[in-house]
Amino acid sequence: DTGVSQDPRHKITKRGQNVTFRCDPISEHNRLYWYRQTLGQGPEFLTYFQNEAQLEKSRLLSDRFSAERPKGSFSTLEIQRTEQGDSAMYLCASSHRSGWMLNEQFFGPGTRLTVL
Amino acid sequence: KQEVTQIPAALSVPEGENLVLNCSFTDSAIYNLQWFRQDPGKGLTSLLLIQSSQREQTSGRLNASLDKSSGRSTLYIAASQPGDSATYLCAVMHGTGANSKLTFGKGITLSVRP
Repeated sequence: DTGVSQDPRHKITKRGQNVTFRCDPISEHNRLYWYRQTLGQGPEFLTYFQNEAQLEKSRLLSDRFSAERPKGSFSTLEIQRTEQGDSAMYLCASSHRSGWMLNEQFFGPGTRLTVL
Repeated sequence: KQEVTQIPAALSVPEGENLVLNCSFTDSAIYNLQWFRQDPGKGLTSLLLIQSSQREQTSGRLNASLDKSSGRSTLYIAASQPGDSATYLCAVMHGTGANSKLTFGKGITLSVRP
């Protein structure tokens, strides 16, 4: 197992375009998280899935953002009508929840989005 | 609302020095606390996780402690090396049941001078 992977690693787009990012978690992990990180800040929680169910969405996740995890494996994050303020690093993480234990989150390399 | 603070924002030390990075959080109702390392332009590498019932964890030259009641954690790095230069972030897992999530500090950027 090679860890959490994300694709693409970099994306440059023009304002108003739609973009989609993919995250492949560690295979046995049932929880998948999306975070956004801007320069000089820590990552901010966006949303997470337990298996295929999206259990929480941050208020940061406007209606232009949508995330899916159709079969409880990989996940996609789509941003519609991108704005310059969407420029950030988008990070995906996965973990395994067993009973009441909330275990270590492992992060992918991130997708750097630049909106021109 | 949970807030995580890491001070100072940056630190520069000579090689070989032992150092302590501090992290504080406002709400002691946490499940666990994780320390991460981030190299410029890269993702996060998990260093240590401390469950809320634990007081410390060790991995190699790293030791992390947790005082949940006072809302504090420290990451101790022994015999620092230039390769330790990176940003170190702490994050707490908090919330209720299905709504649990990580809240991060802004990180401490460490520079170890040869």
